Amino acid sequence: GNSVTQMEGPVTLSEEAFLTINCTYTATGYPSLFWYVQYPGEGLQLLLKATKADDKGSNKGFEATYRKETTSFHLEKGSVQVSDSAVYFCALRNSGNTPLVFGKGTRLSVIA
Amino acid sequence: GAGVSQSPSNKVTEKGKDVELRCDPISGHTALYWYRQSLGQGLEFLIYFQGNSAPDKSGLPSDRFSAERTGGSVSTLTIQRTQQEDSAVYLCASTLEVSYEQYFGPGTRLTVT
Repeated sequence: GNSVTQMEGPVTLSEEAFLTINCTYTATGYPSLFWYVQYPGEGLQLLLKATKADDKGSNKGFEATYRKETTSFHLEKGSVQVSDSAVYFCALRNSGNTPLVFGKGTRLSVIA
Repeated sequence: GAGVSQSPSNKVTEKGKDVELRCDPISGHTALYWYRQSLGQGLEFLIYFQGNSAPDKSGLPSDRFSAERTGGSVSTLTIQRTQQEDSAVYLCASTLEVSYEQYFGPGTRLTVT
């Protein structure tokens, strides 16, 4: 079956530190990959996505590259800010409108 | 434009009672999903409606859970005889078929005492 594994948190970083949140997946076929973010008190928002191997998704300084050979989609940001404090979810979708399969989420806290 | 809305935002109920959670998807979106977010379990798919097709109920955890979507728009998730393990945030999402991106509502936090 399809599954997503992401590093467990919480992750605590100082402002301007480099961020990596690891995500690996198991899927049949060629899934699309996503990172969603949930800021405190808010709903889930799409952060970035990649739909095929070697694609790089990017948004708000965050990046993730779809690596088929390692079945990974690690999230990175070069310099985090306090406002990046949130819970980050890696997810996959196998095709079309099928439901998303999520990882368990990683809580990030950035301190000034 | 208006996003996905859910009501109520918070619901506290006694064990054994039935609850109904409502989702208003973005107008024109053809697919609607329910997920559950609980501590330690992450986000779990519950049920999915696509147009006029029969819903995919494969994620419903027990027969106490059911959902319907009236007129291809509003959806109601019903939990009968609630149990404490049903306490979670219930999220609804909808998608416009062409883009396939899922837009999430703010969720309903259900607490069963």
